[in-house]
Amino acid sequence: DVKVTQSSRYLVKRTGEKVFLECVQDMDHENMFWYRQDPGLGLRLIYFSYDVKMKEKGDIPEGYSVSREKKERFSLILESASTNQTSMYLCASSLFTSGSKNIQYFGAGTRLSVL
Amino acid sequence: DQQVKQNSPSLSVQEGRISILNCDYTNSMFDYFLWYKKYPAEGPTFLISISSIKDKNEDGRFTVFLNKSAKHLSLHIVPSQPGDSAVYFCAAYSGAGSYQLTFGKGTKLSVIP
Repeated sequence: DVKVTQSSRYLVKRTGEKVFLECVQDMDHENMFWYRQDPGLGLRLIYFSYDVKMKEKGDIPEGYSVSREKKERFSLILESASTNQTSMYLCASSLFTSGSKNIQYFGAGTRLSVL
Repeated sequence: DQQVKQNSPSLSVQEGRISILNCDYTNSMFDYFLWYKKYPAEGPTFLISISSIKDKNEDGRFTVFLNKSAKHLSLHIVPSQPGDSAVYFCAAYSGAGSYQLTFGKGTKLSVIP
């Protein structure tokens, strides 16, 4: 079974703090993704990475950055947390197979509250 | 502009009956579609998928139908069970080499015992 592990289930941070959300997958997947889920808005892609040290912006990258130093680990960084970044954050991973579409496997999520 | 639309935010169905969840899309480049199921406080889990070269895919109680001309797909759950109560997301890939899944906003299904 694919396992995507997010380091924290719940986080409470103060406005202006630097926040790190960590994600690890154990299936040697090339692709990793960070989404946020908000009520009525579904899942929106923040950033994704298709290889170590490679990253691409998703639909809502503003206020976020990412780091992928190792294949199995993908970190989401909130440089200066703001209250509008209170949300459920979901990490996902998938294989890359040329010409095919691959299932994304999700972690359990981190519910972040910024006060 | 929302490219994947799930126009029903919620749906209630009696246990044992059929649940039909609908999804419309606007991007004609979408060629692979997935349904995910999400329980509260958990990540989405993959349920079933369909390629644009097919019009139906079945897996146990779950069947997905694709109508390309109408840009519409639907997920049928028969028979519905209380454990099916969850939020269901429709998602789509576009084109070869695409990494990005586009998700709908989700439909909350409640199966009433």
